[in-house]
Amino acid sequence: EPEVTQTPSHQVTQMGQEVILRCVPISNHLYFYWYRQILGQKVEFLVSFYNNEISEKSEIFDDQFSVERPDGSNFTLKIRSTKLEDSAMYFCASSGEDGYYGYTFGSGTRLTVV
Amino acid sequence: AQKVTQAQTEISVVEKEDVTLDCVYETRDTTYYLFWYKQPPSGELVFLIRRNSFDEQNEISGRYSWNFQKSTSSFNFTITASQVVDSAVYFCALSEARRGSTLGRLYFGRGTQLTVWP
Repeated sequence: EPEVTQTPSHQVTQMGQEVILRCVPISNHLYFYWYRQILGQKVEFLVSFYNNEISEKSEIFDDQFSVERPDGSNFTLKIRSTKLEDSAMYFCASSGEDGYYGYTFGSGTRLTVV
Repeated sequence: AQKVTQAQTEISVVEKEDVTLDCVYETRDTTYYLFWYKQPPSGELVFLIRRNSFDEQNEISGRYSWNFQKSTSSFNFTITASQVVDSAVYFCALSEARRGSTLGRLYFGRGTQLTVWP
């Protein structure tokens, strides 16, 4: 069964550093998303990406964040100048035209900022 | 604005009991989609079901069943004869329909932690 693959599964970074979270969506999907989940809290939408541009972003997704699809397979989330409160699980997801199964989520990257 | 409320923060049951997880949503859209996801201790989000706003048929899948009632804006999830492996956090979520995409962003509830004791 097709999967969304996220790397790394865990990342520890020092406050102020930049991190790049990587995702390989399902190959024939067209819509890509990033969500985050602060420990013990609900899952929150960050950004959606379609046709090589951001289609929607939340109030959380400020200038500290950026997304990119550098090639035909990867979809990245860059967080600049990380803060302690950026510590969370970050989920990548993708969906096809139909989206019947909703999104297919990756297993997540647990980011810890120290 | 869209909102999903899962009033039950934690539920504990003993194996083989039936358990219902409540979900109430708010939206002004006439077309929307409702989902349930399971998050086991390993952390991934596992899709369980999607329901369209124009399809109020209830659904059963094995021990799982869902009761969608537009009149009360509820989309409740029942596990029959619960098992220890059902222990997880369960999230209800709502998505609007978007032009150019079947699905808009997902709005999640805060989740219900279900613990099934042997």
